[in-house]
Amino acid sequence: KQEVTQIPAALSVPEGENLVLNCSFTDSAIYNLQWFRQDPGKGLTSLLLIQSSQREQTSGRLNASLDKSSGRSTLYIAASQPGDSATYLCAAALSGGSNYKLTFGKGTLLTVNP
Amino acid sequence: SQTIHQWPATLVQPVGSPLSLECTVEGTSNPNLYWYRQAAGRGLQLLFYSVGIGQISSEVPQNLSASRPQDRQFILSSKKLLLSDSGFYLCAWSVGQSTQYFGPGTRLTVL
Repeated sequence: KQEVTQIPAALSVPEGENLVLNCSFTDSAIYNLQWFRQDPGKGLTSLLLIQSSQREQTSGRLNASLDKSSGRSTLYIAASQPGDSATYLCAAALSGGSNYKLTFGKGTLLTVNP
Repeated sequence: SQTIHQWPATLVQPVGSPLSLECTVEGTSNPNLYWYRQAAGRGLQLLFYSVGIGQISSEVPQNLSASRPQDRQFILSSKKLLLSDSGFYLCAWSVGQSTQYFGPGTRLTVL
């Protein structure tokens, strides 16, 4: 059974700082890994998707990396802004086809202080 | 563009009452559809997923059920709610094995 862990559970940084959020998964036979953002009381917003054959994906100030062999992914946020404050969730898809399902971590609550 | 709707946004129900949550997707055909529950301290848990009309797979044994009467409509139901059913219910869709897109969610409180 796939388990996904996110460390730290909460992180508080000053505005402008670069930061890294960590995600680990127990089964390296993943199909893809996705990073989401969730604002309080809202649904999830997709940030980045990394296919199992890829090493990283970039979107603006965000960069996600994937190391299947070690069961780790990181989300790098450059020049953090107060608007980046949210909970960040990673999710691993164990297989494709009709069994395509995501297993989520519990998230990292990020607070960027102005 | 594709959009996903959920209603109601919030719901307060007594224990033992029935439940019906609805999710609809616009702008895409034959999506995979998912129901998740997010409870405090427990993370996001997949409840049901569907790859087509009438095709429902259950992930967690419980007193909830799901139905997909139309291609872009997904319904979560219960005949009798339990206190433990309280939580934030999220519907999502994807095209095959790609990014999942989430709805705004329904906050359910069972008293």
